[in-house]
Amino acid sequence: NAGVTQTPKFQVLKTGQSMTLQCAQDMNHEYMSWYRQDPGMGLRLIHYSVGAGITDQGEVPNGYNVSRSTTEDFPLRLLSAAPSQTSVYFCASSPPQQGLRDTQYFGPGTRLTVL
Amino acid sequence: GEDVEQSLFLSVREGDSSVINCTYTDSSSTYLYWYKQEPGAGLQLLTYIFSNMDMKQDQRLTVLLNKKDKHLSLRIADTQTGDSAIYFCAERKTGRRALTFGSGTRLQVQP
Repeated sequence: NAGVTQTPKFQVLKTGQSMTLQCAQDMNHEYMSWYRQDPGMGLRLIHYSVGAGITDQGEVPNGYNVSRSTTEDFPLRLLSAAPSQTSVYFCASSPPQQGLRDTQYFGPGTRLTVL
Repeated sequence: GEDVEQSLFLSVREGDSSVINCTYTDSSSTYLYWYKQEPGAGLQLLTYIFSNMDMKQDQRLTVLLNKKDKHLSLRIADTQTGDSAIYFCAERKTGRRALTFGSGTRLQVQP
């Protein structure tokens, strides 16, 4: 298994541009999520999905869209990039719940800079 | 205040024990986690503890949970230079799959 993969690893955008950060997992995990990591702060949840066709907002959803057409893929779209979206973005996935235990597997991250 | 708080930095000498502390505010937290992040990498799950436990040991790692004080600690025995990383504490609240993370503690191991 490749685990959780993210592309690209690095991206530079100009203000107002749009782009999609890709996330894929080959572990048949039902739960997927996107976090952003900013200096001096923990990871903050942007959006999450509990299964194909189902998405919901996290703590900081503004400026981002997601979709979940397949179990494997969970892309994050920036419609009109802003400098405040400069961050490192992590995708994570979790297997079907086993009781209350639930471990999340993280991708390597995408470092995004918006000029 | 923040849901999960950690000190920002810890420096230890190789071979010593490291203790990284975390406090959380939500008494309904079910699971508490420790993740490790090496430079330029994603987060790697180190260990977790269920809220009805007070201690969990896994090789060099010992997790202590004081539920009354909402305090969690991670002890790394015989700390090595390869343990240098940022360590994140995270909680999972009842009924939620998402995790709430602390801001991370940077552990520096001096040779």
